[in-house]
Amino acid sequence: GAVVSQHPSWVICKSGTSVKIECRSLDFQATTMFWYRQFPKQSLMLMATSNEGSKATYEQGVEKDKFLINHASLTLSTLTVTSAHPEDSSFYICSARDQGRGGPYNEQFFGPGTRLTVL
Amino acid sequence: GENVEQHPSTLSVQEGDSAVIKCTYSDSASNYFPWYKQELGKRPQLIIDIRSNVGEKKDQRIAVTLNKTAKHFSLHITETQPEDSAVYFCAASLRTSGNTPLVFGKGTRLSVIA
Repeated sequence: GAVVSQHPSWVICKSGTSVKIECRSLDFQATTMFWYRQFPKQSLMLMATSNEGSKATYEQGVEKDKFLINHASLTLSTLTVTSAHPEDSSFYICSARDQGRGGPYNEQFFGPGTRLTVL
Repeated sequence: GENVEQHPSTLSVQEGDSAVIKCTYSDSASNYFPWYKQELGKRPQLIIDIRSNVGEKKDQRIAVTLNKTAKHFSLHITETQPEDSAVYFCAASLRTSGNTPLVFGKGTRLSVIA
């Protein structure tokens, strides 16, 4: 099946610093990728839809200036958490599906996630 | 937008018994309903999915049913095993030629007691 990778798998940073998370589709091209956030023992909450070559679409309540998304190529989307604070500590997961194969009902694959801890 | 409700939030069953998890969705236009299994600290993994033109789908011990009229769908796991213990999420989406995100339920923590 299609593979989605993320880097780093975990990061610890000081409050006020910025953290960049990379999401890559390894064996397919993804014009769209999705970024989710998951707090402990909670569900996956959609943060934004990342579109290659254009601006991301953010969900209500997600600050676009705090969570910067760049989808500069068909295989890479990045999420930058700017001026991170302890309340931003969470599990960030990206997701994508191969739109070019399998039709509209094909599987949406998830990256392994990035655990962010802000001290 | 779409809203997915899932229950129960926790479920404990004896090994060998069946487990049923139920979800409802709000957007009648949604046409794709996957179920994901997530183990602690890992990514969600697709276990089964169903499209709106199908009422039931089965894959070995796992089955999913869909009632479009009532806008609800359920996951059935038979002959449960300890390795089935995990968090299960239902989701809904409108799948067309575009690319719309999955909207997830809050999850069900399943514990299979040996």
